[in-house]
Amino acid sequence: QVQLVQSGAEVKKPGASVKVSCKASGYSFATYYMHWVRQAPGQGLEWMGRFSTRDGTTTYAQRFQGRVTMTGDTSTSTVYMDLSSLTSEDTAVYYCARHLNSGWPLDYWGQGTLVTVSS
Amino acid sequence: SYELTQPLSVSVALGQTARMTCGGNNIGSKNVHWYQQKSGQAPVLVIYRDTNRPSGIPERFSGSNSGNTATLTISRAQAADEADYYCQVWDSSTFNWVFGGGTKLTVL
Repeated sequence: QVQLVQSGAEVKKPGASVKVSCKASGYSFATYYMHWVRQAPGQGLEWMGRFSTRDGTTTYAQRFQGRVTMTGDTSTSTVYMDLSSLTSEDTAVYYCARHLNSGWPLDYWGQGTLVTVSS
Repeated sequence: SYELTQPLSVSVALGQTARMTCGGNNIGSKNVHWYQQKSGQAPVLVIYRDTNRPSGIPERFSGSNSGNTATLTISRAQAADEADYYCQVWDSSTFNWVFGGGTKLTVL
């Protein structure tokens, strides 16, 4: 069965960086894109960007440009999201979710990773 | 950038029909997807490409999309349907994915 398993919760200080991982199993890894979506406490879903597992290309939401880096390792079927220059406003649950192709949805999601930014 | 507008909350009596809207400029020309998120859980896809249900989603869930409004309809609402619901589209002008602000469904 399809599974996206994310790394555990993180606590970071302002100005630091965080790297969250998402390990995929149960399907052909390179067939699907991987997206990252975050949700601040009590808030809605916010799309951060997309990583192509086929060729490593990325598309980032403008507000995260320059601060987010998405990478992948096909040998372990794992995708990573690195967010730098953290502030308290980056405190959120971060989700990975897979996507087949244009016009198709985010059909499977990871369990989420809570990142807390606090001094 | 493209924006999606959802009502903050919708209430429905147990066993009745709930309708949740998602407004956007000419949204009828886009593929709309809907996600259900229960408290403390990851989102779950309930409707994709306007009207399609993934396997495992009850037939009580249906969707439509025309003009400037997409709608998620839940028939015979149950207590287990209480959740936040988000609509989502892909904005071809920015290549960004866009979520609506979400609607909290309360089953009375």
